[in-house]
Amino acid sequence: GAVVSQHPSRVICKSGTSVKIECRSLDFQATTMFWYRQFPKQSLMLMATSNEGSKATYEQGVEKDKFLINHASLTLSTLTVTSAHPEDSSFYICSARDLDRARNTIYFGEGSWLTVV
Amino acid sequence: QKEVEQNSGPLSVPEGAIASLNCTYSDRGSQSFFWYRQYSGKSPELIMFIYSNGDKEDGRFTAQLNKASQYVSLLIRDSQPSDSATYLCAVEPSGYSTLTFGKGTMLLVSP
Repeated sequence: GAVVSQHPSRVICKSGTSVKIECRSLDFQATTMFWYRQFPKQSLMLMATSNEGSKATYEQGVEKDKFLINHASLTLSTLTVTSAHPEDSSFYICSARDLDRARNTIYFGEGSWLTVV
Repeated sequence: QKEVEQNSGPLSVPEGAIASLNCTYSDRGSQSFFWYRQYSGKSPELIMFIYSNGDKEDGRFTAQLNKASQYVSLLIRDSQPSDSATYLCAVEPSGYSTLTFGKGTMLLVSP
C-alpha cells in the first residue's frame, strides 16, 4: 500500500483563490519532504525541499510567497498555492525519504491535479 | 549543473522481449540511483534502487550500475503490455540530498 499519501487527488479552484495540498508519510517519520510539479508530457520539476521545523528551501525561479510550504510535524507537509492562476494548473507531487528502510528510499505520493479556472 | 540523461523514446518492444533502458549522469560523486515507473497521469512508482557497481535483480527487473562509466540501466525481462509507461532514472548526488531526475524514457510493449 501507499506509504506517502497526498490529499486532495484532484481540486478545481477559481482564479485568485488559495489551495492547500497535504502530504503525509503513513508509516515512517520524514524530516525531509520534497514538492514537485509536472506539466503534461514534461519531466518532474523540483519546487522545494520541505524541512520539518524549519523553512523550506526553494528552487531557483519558484516564488516562495506564492507556494507556501509548511512542515509542522514529522509526518505532514503542506503546500499552499496562493492567489492561484490558470498557469498554476499542474500535477503536484510530494515525496518523502524513509530513513529507516534500507538505504533511505524515497517514495512519492499519489499526486494532486490542480485546475485553476 | 548536475545532469541525468535518458533517451526519450519511445522504445518499442514486443511482448516477452527484454527491454533495456539506459541512463547516464554527469556527477561522478553520485552515490544512489533509482528507477521509477510513471504511468500517464499518475505519480512515479519506485521500481528499484542501486548503490553498488554491478547488477541487482528483483523479479523481472535488473538494475545495472557502472560508476566508472557513469551509467545505470534497467532491464525488464519478459516485457508485458502493462509495463508500458515512462521510466524515470533518478540520481542522488550525495547522501540525504534531493534527487535529480532524467526526463524519462517511454516504453511501449506491444501484444
